[in-house]
This record gives sequence, C-alpha cells and structure tokens, in this order.
Amino acid sequence: KAGVTQTPRYLIKTRGQQVTLSCSPISGHRSVSWYQQTPGQGLQFLFEYFSETQRNKGNFPGRFSGRQFSNSRSEMNVSTLELGDSALYLCASSLGSAMTSSGNTIYFGEGSWLTVV
Amino acid sequence: SQKIEQNSEALNIQEGKTATLTCNYTNYSPAYLQWYRQDPGRGPVFLLLIRENEKEKRKERLKVTFDTTLKQSLFHITASQPADSATYLCALDFNQAGTALIFGKGTTLSVSS
Repeated sequence: KAGVTQTPRYLIKTRGQQVTLSCSPISGHRSVSWYQQTPGQGLQFLFEYFSETQRNKGNFPGRFSGRQFSNSRSEMNVSTLELGDSALYLCASSLGSAMTSSGNTIYFGEGSWLTVV
Repeated sequence: SQKIEQNSEALNIQEGKTATLTCNYTNYSPAYLQWYRQDPGRGPVFLLLIRENEKEKRKERLKVTFDTTLKQSLFHITASQPADSATYLCALDFNQAGTALIFGKGTTLSVSS
C-alpha cells in the first residue's frame, strides 16, 4: 500500500511569508502528527490530529498551525516565516486508536525541506 | 518537562560486532518506548516498540531492553553490518495512543568492514 506522502518535497521561502505543507496518510490511518527536524534541536513534536481534532500539541508558537480533513489528509501552516524555521518537516501517520497489544506503529513520510531566506 | 537523552552522538564499530546504544529519560514514566532508524535525507523508520511492563523485546538481530527503574533503554544490533550504518533515534510517548512522541537527538552508528 502507498506510504505517507508529503508535498512539496523542497521549497524556498522568504522571511515574513507563509507556507502550507501537505500530508496524505496511509489509507485507513486516522492519526496524523507533524514534527520539525533541525540539526541543533533534533526531531520536535509540533501537533497531532485524530479524526479532524487536534489531540496533542507541542511547544511551538502560534505561527505554527495545522488542520485535518475528513479524509484524514492534513496540512500544516507556518505564518510570518523566520530564518530559524528552516528545517525538515515530517509528517507521520498511524491508526491512532488507543494502543493495542501490538502497539501503534507510526509511519513517517520523507518530509518537506523548507529553506527560509 | 520530559527529557530524553541518547548518550552518544556517534558510535563506530567493526563489522560483526554488537552495537549497543543507550537512551535515558527523566521526569516521566512512559507507557512505551520506541526505536527508529533514520538514513540521511529520509524520514525515520520504525524498528521496535517496548511497553513499560516488558523487560526485553527482540526482532531478528535487534534487541531492546527497558528498565523503568533506571529510566533507561538499551538497543543492541548483533552481528552488525555496514548496511546498519544510520542514525538511531529513541522516542517516548506522551499520550496513551503512543502517537505523540518526544525524540532523543539520535546516535549515528558507523559500521566499518
């Protein structure tokens, strides 16, 4: 089956602009989470959506927002871009229900590389 | 707040040896701890999950232990191969579904032939 698909793969934006990244989860998966990865901070949790509702939120400013659609596809938006927002943004999907005995395996996409200049 | 540390940024070993990676955490009692592999420019790939009531879990050449008293997990790769060279990340959940994770910064393993 198709994996987690993220678009676009690469993009360059200017400070002050905004950006929208898209994620299509694996078919049947209802949980979509977003992470930011930078060399200095590593992988940091942004937020998680389950059945169109934000279920968990990381410690990022309000410039970072997201949403999930009824088909489980998700978008994240970053407004008023700063140089420090340059990073690999990763989307991950899973079934998302309460942990089963086999665990809730999480599948990551290949990420969207954002460069802010 | 929760903190998770992988005590080595880099680990170099020879082919055939066992690689042991360490993950320590503080200020939290996770229900699950997970290990991922990440290759350069790629997204992380799930390897193993271990629950708080499990001491050890194995998958082929991989073994994970989980000591909730020490707040530590060890990740072993036996009979290591150059293809095992990658960055390995440990992660703990902060929601019951295990879908919201805090990651360590990773250990980059290099296996030389």
